[in-house]
Amino acid sequence: GNSVTQMEGPVTLSEEAFLTINCTYTATGYPSLFWYVQYPGEGLQLLLKATKADDKGSNKGFEATYRKETTSFHLEKGSVQVSDSAVYFCALSAPQNAGNMLTFGGGTRLMVKP
Amino acid sequence: NAGVTQTPKFQVLKTGQSMTLQCAQDMNHNSMYWYRQDPGMGLRLIYYSASEGTTDKGEVPNGYNVSRLNKREFSLRLESAAPSQTSVYFCASIRGLIAGGSTDTQYFGPGTRLTVL
Repeated sequence: GNSVTQMEGPVTLSEEAFLTINCTYTATGYPSLFWYVQYPGEGLQLLLKATKADDKGSNKGFEATYRKETTSFHLEKGSVQVSDSAVYFCALSAPQNAGNMLTFGGGTRLMVKP
Repeated sequence: NAGVTQTPKFQVLKTGQSMTLQCAQDMNHNSMYWYRQDPGMGLRLIYYSASEGTTDKGEVPNGYNVSRLNKREFSLRLESAAPSQTSVYFCASIRGLIAGGSTDTQYFGPGTRLTVL
């Protein structure tokens, strides 16, 4: 079956540090890949997505590149802010997923200190 | 445009009690989903409705039932709550099914935090 593995947190960084959150996946076919962010007390919001190999998704300074050869979709940001503190979820939607359901990783909590 | 709304925000139940979680979307989306979120496990799909009038089981459907009341509303019912159902429940929707998979964004509600004692 499909699965998503992402690095466990929490990840604690100082403001303006470089961020990488690793995400790898297992899926047959050609899934679409997503990063969702959950701020404290809120629901999930789409951060970025990529729908085919070598696509780069980007938003709010975050980037992730769909690497089919390494089955990865790592999230990066060059300079984090305190306001980026949240839980980040990597997810995939594969063609054979019933109802186009999303398969989520376990989430990575990011804490950014001033 | 409120997006996806859920009620209630918080609920405490005793073992064996029943309750219904409500979800509504105003984006004219065809497909709706119920997920539960447990620490370290991401979100897991409970049930989904591909379109009005249809519902199907997801990964963890045991102990739950759903109703797609109309295109806007999708409710989740716990008939006899158990402590293992303590979780945060999220409703989501997308524009609609596309054959072969979807690149659509799922839009999530704010969640319902449920505690079963």
